[in-house]
Amino acid sequence: DTEVTQTPKHLVMGMTNKKSLKCEQHMGHRAMYWYKQKAKKPPELMFVYSYEKLSINESVPSRFSPECPNSSLLNLHLHALQPEDSALYLCASSWGVSEAFFGQGTRLTVV
Amino acid sequence: QKEVEQDPGPLSVPEGAIVSLNCTYSNSAFQYFMWYRQYSRKGPELLMYTYSSGNKEDGRFTAQVDKSSKYISLFIRDSQPSDSATYLCAMSAEGLTQGGSEKLVFGKGTKLTVNP
Repeated sequence: DTEVTQTPKHLVMGMTNKKSLKCEQHMGHRAMYWYKQKAKKPPELMFVYSYEKLSINESVPSRFSPECPNSSLLNLHLHALQPEDSALYLCASSWGVSEAFFGQGTRLTVV
Repeated sequence: QKEVEQDPGPLSVPEGAIVSLNCTYSNSAFQYFMWYRQYSRKGPELLMYTYSSGNKEDGRFTAQVDKSSKYISLFIRDSQPSDSATYLCAMSAEGLTQGGSEKLVFGKGTKLTVNP
């Protein structure tokens, strides 16, 4: 099983809302990632959890907050987003330098 | 010079054609090379994974890595309309980290259309 499952598939939220994106993998991978992808661009790394330890891309605004409840689960908490945050949010997992497996993404629209 | 260069296309071919997709890179430390296929509004799907130099074949797909030239390729034989997607190359290296975990560097992606 090489599946990374993300929920929800689509999300529309207002700028004052709080919402969460969820990700799950059962491949035993110890690294999990959040990526943001805008149209016609490659994925851009936001956060990494490696052995449940967080590493941050310092350019990511604080209105995005990751959480890793255990080695199989990854959440991304969203608060006070801006319209420019509308994008495809991708979760991925890997053993490290080896191949990363991506979920199908959550298409987020901020209104 | 960008770390990974990939022609964004678009590339349009007739059904049954052989497709060649390429990336060049500048960092000789890269050891792990991947090709992802991404359909519109979907997540990237891992197609091929190669460690170091050489060829790897899987069905209609062949990945080639030439580390001496810093050049990787993906060949698609007997292309089908269902192959129409954006193809992303990606690479990484041990010790090349971002935030304490190995960093995956992507090309910009090549948009491929296979016409019936």
